Amino acid sequence: DTGVSQDPRHKITKRGQNVTFRCDPISEHNRLYWYRQTLGQGPEFLTYFQNEAQLEKSRLLSDRFSAERPKGSFSTLEIQRTEQGDSAMYLCASSISGSQYFGPGTRLTVT
Amino acid sequence: GIQVEQSPPDLILQEGANSTLRCNFSDSVNNLQWFHQNPWGQLINLFYIPSGTKQNGRLSATTVATERYSLLYISSSQTTDSGVYFCAVVLSGNTGKLIFGQGTTLQVKP
Repeated sequence: DTGVSQDPRHKITKRGQNVTFRCDPISEHNRLYWYRQTLGQGPEFLTYFQNEAQLEKSRLLSDRFSAERPKGSFSTLEIQRTEQGDSAMYLCASSISGSQYFGPGTRLTVT
Repeated sequence: GIQVEQSPPDLILQEGANSTLRCNFSDSVNNLQWFHQNPWGQLINLFYIPSGTKQNGRLSATTVATERYSLLYISSSQTTDSGVYFCAVVLSGNTGKLIFGQGTTLQVKP
C-alpha cells in the first residue's frame, strides 16, 4: 500500500493558462474524490468517481473544470483559463468503503 | 445543508497538557472521520468513528450519533501534535463525500 499520490505537488501558473493535476489512488480503491481547500478553511467537495463513472459534481465545479478517471484507475483534474480565485490546495482521496485516505495535495498559485 | 461546527477554533497548550476538541453536526450522519493536517497540508487519518469510542495511543475519540456530536481527546500533548484538526461527516444516503468543519488549530508549546 503506497498511499494516494498526487502530481505535481506545486504549480504556479499565469492567469488564463490551463493546468492539469493527476491523482493515483490506493490500488483496489474504487471510489475517488477531489476536494479543494483555501487558506483557513476546511476542504470542500468537488467531484466523486466510482470506478470510471463520475457520479457527483459540486456546483463549485464550474464549466472551466473537468475531471476524468479513465479505466477507473488514476484521475485527472483540469482547470481551463485559470483565474486568481482558483488558487488553492487541490486534494484527492480514495476509499473502498468507510475511511477516505488523502493524498498530499497539489498547491496551485495563479498569478 | 448540514452544518459542521468545531470548537474551539484555536487552542494553545503547554507540552504535556490534555485537551478536548468538539465537533457538532446538525443532521444524521453515516460516517465521521477525524483528521490531523500537518504543516505541509497532508491530511492524516486519525479515526473513522460513526459511533462509539476508539483509542489509539494518546488519542481517543467518542461519537454520540443520537446527540450529534463527536469529541477528540489528546492526552500528554507533544509539539508534534501541533496543526489543524478537522472533523468531517458523511450524510446518510450520500455518495460518501465528506463535509468538513472549519477546524481547530492547535499549537503545543515546549
